[in-house]
Amino acid sequence: EADIYQTPRYLVIGTGKKITLECSQTMGHDKMYWYQQDPGMELHLIHYSYGVNSTEKGDLSSESTVSRIRTEHFPLTLESARPSHTSQYLCASSPEDEAYTGELFFGEGSRLTVL
Amino acid sequence: KNQVEQSPQSLIILEGKNCTLQCNYTVSPFSNLRWYKQDTGRGPVSLTIMTFSENTKSNGRYTATLDADTKQSSLHITASQLSDSASYICVVSDRGSTLGRLYFGRGTQLTVWP
Repeated sequence: EADIYQTPRYLVIGTGKKITLECSQTMGHDKMYWYQQDPGMELHLIHYSYGVNSTEKGDLSSESTVSRIRTEHFPLTLESARPSHTSQYLCASSPEDEAYTGELFFGEGSRLTVL
Repeated sequence: KNQVEQSPQSLIILEGKNCTLQCNYTVSPFSNLRWYKQDTGRGPVSLTIMTFSENTKSNGRYTATLDADTKQSSLHITASQLSDSASYICVVSDRGSTLGRLYFGRGTQLTVWP
C-alpha cells in the first residue's frame, strides 16, 4: 500500500464556494502530481511539482491552484467552485522521473460535486 | 486523437476464464509502458512496466506483452477472480522532452461475474 493520502474523499458543495483538496505523502518523494479523471476518460494532468517551491501547470487548463511549501504536502485549491469542476481528483507522487522507470503512487481520490 | 488507445472499452467474463486487454500507442520516442489497475473508488496501482527491450513480463496471474515494432501491448489475465473486476489503464511514457511525459489510455472496464 502506498503512503499517500487524500482528503476529503467525497465533497458536495455549492457554486462559488472555495475548496481545498488535501494531499499528503510520507514516502519522501520529491515529485507530486494532480490529475483529473472523468468517467470513461483518460487521466489529465492539471498540476505538478518537482520539489518544494516548485509548481507547474499541466496539460489540462484548470482554474485551480496548488502550493508546495513542504515536501510531503501538495494541496489543490479552487477559489470559486462551479458545476464544471465536478470530477474525480487524483493526487500522485513519484520517487523519480516518471518518464523512466519511476512509478506513480496514487491516493484514493477526492470526488468533488459542485451543485 | 489520443495517442494511447485501449480495447475493448468494457469486458464481462465469468470467474475462472482468461481474458486479454489491448493497448495500441503512437507515442514516440518510446520510453516505457505501464499497466495500472484501478478498483472502483480507488487510485490506480501499477501492475507491471515494459521497457523497449522487454517482450513479456508476468506478475502472478497477469502477463503483459510488448511489441515495440507494431506499438502494441497486451495484458493477459489468467483464471480470473472476482477481485479482478476493475479498470485497467495503459500508460505510455516518452523521451521527447527533457523530462518526458505520460500518455494515458481511457482504460478497459473489466467485470468478472461469479
